[in-house]
Amino acid sequence: AQKVTQAQTEISVVEKEDVTLDCVYETRDTTYYLFWYKQPPSGELVFLIRRNSFDEQNEISGRYSWNFQKSTSSFNFTITASQVVDSAVYFCALSEAKSGNTPLVFGKGTRLSVIA
Amino acid sequence: GAGVSQSPSNKVTEKGKDVELRCDPISGHTALYWYRQRLGQGLEFLIYFQGNSAPDKSGLPSDRFSAERTGESVSTLTIQRTQQEDSAVYLCASSLFGLGQTGELFFGEGSRLTVL
Repeated sequence: AQKVTQAQTEISVVEKEDVTLDCVYETRDTTYYLFWYKQPPSGELVFLIRRNSFDEQNEISGRYSWNFQKSTSSFNFTITASQVVDSAVYFCALSEAKSGNTPLVFGKGTRLSVIA
Repeated sequence: GAGVSQSPSNKVTEKGKDVELRCDPISGHTALYWYRQRLGQGLEFLIYFQGNSAPDKSGLPSDRFSAERTGESVSTLTIQRTQQEDSAVYLCASSLFGLGQTGELFFGEGSRLTVL
């Protein structure tokens, strides 16, 4: 069975601090996809990144970076020099790519508050 | 509009009444998904449509819940004889491809249901 765990329920940081959001996943499939979504106060989820299980290269996009480690089944998300606009709930999600396919399974989310 | 549109944005109803929630996906998106988000919780998968068929209904919590999709476009989620535990935000998402290609999901802003 697939499962996503985001152990951090809430995190508060002061603006310009770096912050890492943890995500640990469980799957028996060898082929799967991992995602991060952002849910700002307006409520609409915004796609941030998709990573397939065969690509362990870390990715950087501006102030955002992702660290995918299959050895520890983790897909952590780091925001560098955080800003108030980064305040949101962040969800990690997993989809197994087997025949019949499975819908995205989401973690419970981490609420990030960036204080000015 | 260019995004996923959901209506109503807010619905307050009395216990025992039926409600219908509507989702207009992005034009051309073949896959459509319904999720439920209870207050402070993660996203709970309800049902998935590929075209007009629903290959995965495993997430529907009870037989009071049903959904349909017509014309590979609009979808309606119906909850009969609503209960207080049905109170949640119901999120709709669409993607250009089905889960096999595990494309990015585009989410609507959700329909907030409150059952008194």
